[in-house]
Formats: sequence, structure tokens, C-alpha cells
Amino acid sequence: DAGVTQSPTHLIKTRGQHVTLRCSPISGHKSVSWYQQVLGQGPQFIFQYYEKEERGRGNFPDRFSARQFPNYSSELNVNALLLGDSALYLCASSSGLYTGELFFGEGSRLTVL
Amino acid sequence: EDQVTQSPEALRLQEGESSSLNCSYTVSGLRGLFWYRQDPGKGPEFLFTLYSAGEEKEKERLKATLTKKESFLHITAPKPEDSATYLCAVQAKSGGSNYKLTFGKGTLLTVNP
Repeated sequence: DAGVTQSPTHLIKTRGQHVTLRCSPISGHKSVSWYQQVLGQGPQFIFQYYEKEERGRGNFPDRFSARQFPNYSSELNVNALLLGDSALYLCASSSGLYTGELFFGEGSRLTVL
Repeated sequence: EDQVTQSPEALRLQEGESSSLNCSYTVSGLRGLFWYRQDPGKGPEFLFTLYSAGEEKEKERLKATLTKKESFLHITAPKPEDSATYLCAVQAKSGGSNYKLTFGKGTLLTVNP
């Protein structure tokens, strides 16, 4: 079975631009979460979606938004990019809303110049 | 606010030299404590879930234990392939943050042959 897939794997943007990151969860998983991991730090929670509804939001500005589609795939959008948005963006899927056993993708490495 | 502190930040061992990693946490009611392994350039990989003080879980050379304030990941006779960053995370039982994991910064383990 395919694991969590993310695209693109690497991308470079300049300040002020917009980026869209995509995630396909494991088949049968209805929950998708997004985490930001800055170099040398642990992952930090951004959003959780379950059954296409936002169920949680972390301490990130409104420039960050996400959505989940009927097939449970998800997009993370970041507007007006700042240098500090450079990070590894991780998508994780899980079978339930409150389970902490997450299955992570390999991430999208975003560099903002 | 939930907090996780891991120590040491980095640990270098010789093959076969057993040791322990520490995870101290504060959370308003623990739903679960989780250990993940992260290889360079990859997403975290789930290892263990611990739910209550006194609980222990084992997998190959790894053993995780839990008290009311901290968790330990014991590594017995490590091999070079155990080299990775080990992340600890907590999930609250309720109160608006029960849908997310709060991660520590991780311990970078290097096992030399």
C-alpha cells in the first residue's frame, strides 16, 4: 500500500510569493494534519482536517490556510511568503480524529529567498 | 500550554553501548505520549504510544517507559542503523489541544561502528 505522498518535494520561492503544497493520505485515512519543521526543531502543528472539516489550527498567521477534498487529499496554502517560512512541511494522515499514531509523508522542503 | 523537553540534544555512542534518552513533559491531562524516529530528509516514523504511568513498550533494541512527568527511551546494544533523531510528543486529553501532537526538539543519536 502506498504511504502518504506529498508534492512537490522541494521548491524555492521568493518573498511575497504564494505556495501550494499537496498531500495524499493513506487509503482509508480520513484525517490529515500539517506540521512545519524548521531545521533543528521538532514539528509544529499547523492544521488538522477530518472528514473535510477543519478540526484544529495551530498558532500560525492567517497567511496559512488549508483544505481537504472529498477524496481526503489536502492542500496547504501559504500567502505572502516570508524568509521565516523556510522549513520542511510535513503532512500526516491517521485513521481517526484523536489518534496520535500519525503516518508522515517525506515532506515538502520550502526555501524562501 | 503543553511543553516537551528532550535531553540530551545529541548523543554519540559506540556500537553496543547502551544508553537512555529523556523526555520531560507538562500537559493538562495526558491522552498519550509518543516516540517517533526521524531519518535525515524523511518524515517522522511512529515507534511507540504510552498512555499511563508505569507503562512500558518494547521493539527490538528500543524500550520506552513512562512516569507522570517524563518518559525514557532506552537503547540496548545499539547498532549504526539506530542512528537517527528521536522525537517525543504529547497529546492532551481535552481542552482544545486534544487533536494535535506537541513535539520536543528531538535527540540526535549517532552510533559509531
